[in-house]
Amino acid sequence: DQQVKQNSPSLSVQEGRISILNCDYTNSMFDYFLWYKKYPAEGPTFLISISSIKDKNEDGRFTVFLNKSAKHLSLHIVPSQPGDSAVYFCAAFTSGTYKYIFGTGTRLKVLA
Amino acid sequence: KAGVTQTPRYLIKTRGQQVTLSCSPISGHRSVSWYQQTPGQGLQFLFEYFSETQRNKGNFPGRFSGRQFSNSRSEMNVSTLELGDSALYLCASRDLDTEAFFGQGTRLTVV
Repeated sequence: DQQVKQNSPSLSVQEGRISILNCDYTNSMFDYFLWYKKYPAEGPTFLISISSIKDKNEDGRFTVFLNKSAKHLSLHIVPSQPGDSAVYFCAAFTSGTYKYIFGTGTRLKVLA
Repeated sequence: KAGVTQTPRYLIKTRGQQVTLSCSPISGHRSVSWYQQTPGQGLQFLFEYFSETQRNKGNFPGRFSGRQFSNSRSEMNVSTLELGDSALYLCASRDLDTEAFFGQGTRLTVV
């Protein structure tokens, strides 16, 4: 049972445009969500997070939106840069458990 | 501050053998979690240790075990290796309510 789903395995975007990565979850007990970026042969790097009491969090070019009623979150990258090309994972957990449940990842390719 | 250190980086083992992977968390972090990454499966949670106690466990067989030492360093052991255990094993450390920081992983190949 995949509690966190990233239905798009890959995405290509032109440099300078917006990249939108999506993530859906099924467990309504999740109250904290994170996005990680992963380059080949490296561990995931934390990007941005959001708690369930918010619907938006911004950090520079990265914004995460949370729609609790739809059990959906998205990561917006504006403007996209070639260095953003990587695999992006969303993750969720329930406070007190710290058991991160990850999606299967979306490979983003930003074209110069 | 040094990051999360995993050793070894690469490992080749034969079916039926056992393997031990090591993780040194960021200084001061008491929580260490282990994840398995395989193509198409994303990152699967194995277990989490906090102050030498296993606090959470994923859905993996008993061949997968771990422990944490008083200095927060953690080891993961896989016994009776199977071909399907070939994967990237990632360790992550965290402090209280912060996000998890990952090491570079150990690439295990079972032949």
